[in-house]
This record gives sequence, structure tokens and C-alpha cells, in this order.
Amino acid sequence: NAGVTQTPKFRILKIGQSMTLQCAQDMNHNYMYWYRQDPGMGLKLIYYSVGAGITDKGEVPNGYNVSRSTTEDFPLRLELAAPSQTSVYFCASSTTRDSGWAFFGQGTRLTVV
Amino acid sequence: DAKTTQPPSMDCAEGRAANLPCNHSTISGNEYVYWYRQIHSQGPQYIIHGLKNNETNEMASLIITEDRKSSTLILPHATLRDTAVYYCIAPLSNFGNEKLTFGTGTRLTIIP
Repeated sequence: NAGVTQTPKFRILKIGQSMTLQCAQDMNHNYMYWYRQDPGMGLKLIYYSVGAGITDKGEVPNGYNVSRSTTEDFPLRLELAAPSQTSVYFCASSTTRDSGWAFFGQGTRLTVV
Repeated sequence: DAKTTQPPSMDCAEGRAANLPCNHSTISGNEYVYWYRQIHSQGPQYIIHGLKNNETNEMASLIITEDRKSSTLILPHATLRDTAVYYCIAPLSNFGNEKLTFGTGTRLTIIP
């Protein structure tokens, strides 16, 4: 099993550009999450999903959008990138039965210049 | 989720036991306590969790006080590879919690 796979690992965007961060899991987990982590700081929840077709906002959703058309995939869309979105983005997934036990991807390091 | 409070940083000598405290005084009866660690800039890694009994696995031990208002993660023989940020979280419930939020954790430094 690959677990949680994030692509790309690194990306540089120019201000105003858009991009999609990909996240896929092969564990058949219903719950999926997107976090951002600024340098030296903790994890902030951006969006989460409890199953295909269901998403909800987390702590810092502004500037982002998500969709969940399948159980496996949970892409994060950045529209009109801003320097404040420079961060490391982590995707995670967990089961319904043990939702606090999450598996994380290795992250996407995004720089907006 | 119950609010958790952890010291921002701790040091521990290599080979000694590292005891990381977490306060979760607002925890409710069905909220588990989970511990994760994050090494450098990697994705956080699950360590252990418990409800009210002490737990042990190959990575660590978890001691939860009888009133469940605090817990301690114990790394019995700390190595340099245990240098990391450790997060204690208490999601709303072990079953059906959707919002998994993390605080700022404790930065543990193992001293040679």
C-alpha cells in the first residue's frame, strides 16, 4: 500500500496563478483532510471531507477550494495564489471507526512569489 | 475537540526517558487522547492513543491520569532520532469525529 500520496512535492507559483494540489489514498478511508503548516508553526486545518461528495471548511479555508468525487482522491485548489499561501501542505486520511488515527502524506512545499 | 495544552519545548538527554505532558482538562468521557510526532518537515506520524487505561506499544507509553485531565507520553530510552515536534490531540470522539485539529505541540530536543 502506498498510503497517502501527495503531488507535487514542490512547486513555485507566481502571484495570481492557480494550481491544484493532488492527494490520493489507497486505504479506503472515508475521512480526508487538508492542512497547511507555516514555518515554525503548527498544523492548521483548511478543509475536510467525511466521504465522497461531502466537504466542509476547517480553520483557514479562505483562498482554497476542494472537491471529493471519489473515496480515493481529495484535491485542493488554490485560486489566485498570494504570498500568504506560501506554506507546506499536508493531506491526511482516517477511517470512520478510528478517525483520530490519521495517516499523513509527505507534504507539498508551495512558494508563491 | 477538547482543548489541549503542551509546553512549547523540552530537552532530554540521550538514553534517558522523555516524559512529555499534555493537559486536556476539558476532555469529555468519550474523547480519546492521541499523540503524533513530526520529524523535521515530514508528515506527522501517529504514535499512540488511549481513552482511560495506560497504553504501551513499540514506540512509546501513554499514561492517562484517573480524572483524564492530563496525560504523559513516555519515550523510554530517547535517541537522537526522537528529536521532533510532538502533538497531543483529543478529537470529539473516536467514532465519527470529522474535524481533526492540531495545536502547536512540544518541540523535543534530545541532547547527546
